[in-house]
Amino acid sequence: DVKVTQSSRYLVKRTGEKVFLECVQDMDHENMFWYRQDPGLGLRLIYFSYDVKMKEKGDIPEGYSVSREKKERFSLILESASTNQTSMYLCASSFGSSSNQPQHFGDGTRLSIL
Amino acid sequence: GENVEQHPSTLSVQEGDSAVIKCTYSDSASNYFPWYKQELGKGPQLIIDIRSNVGEKKDQRIAVTLNKTAKHFSLHITETQPEDSAVYFCAASSSDKLIFGTGTRLQVFP
Repeated sequence: DVKVTQSSRYLVKRTGEKVFLECVQDMDHENMFWYRQDPGLGLRLIYFSYDVKMKEKGDIPEGYSVSREKKERFSLILESASTNQTSMYLCASSFGSSSNQPQHFGDGTRLSIL
Repeated sequence: GENVEQHPSTLSVQEGDSAVIKCTYSDSASNYFPWYKQELGKGPQLIIDIRSNVGEKKDQRIAVTLNKTAKHFSLHITETQPEDSAVYFCAASSSDKLIFGTGTRLQVFP
């Protein structure tokens, strides 16, 4: 079974802090994704990556950056955390080079910015 | 860009009844439509998916139908059980990403 592991289940940070969310997958998937999930808004794509050192902006990239130094690891960075970034963050991975493959999700990081 | 609308936002059914969740999409080039189930405290899990060359797919108590002309697809759960209670998301492929619906909270009452 594919396993996508997010390093923290719950995280509390202060406004202005630099925040790192880590995600690791163990299935040698090429593609990795970061979403945020908010009530009534579904899952919104922040950034994704199709290969090491590659990154593409999703629908809501403002205030975020990403890093993919190794194939199995995809990090989401909040450069200067703000209260409107309080949310559930979900990482996913998939095989192949297109969007036509199932995505496998981690269990999420619930981030609170105070 | 692609837009996916999902209805209803909440659905309550009696155990043993059927549940239907509907989604519409806007991009006629979309060709992959997965459905995810999210239980409390967990990430979304793929439960079934369909590609545009197929009109219907079944897996035990769940089925998905796709109408490409009308650009809508539906999830059908028969003989619902309390463990089917969760949030369900539809999604449609669009160029290099998936676009998700806003979710349906299904409650199955014993």
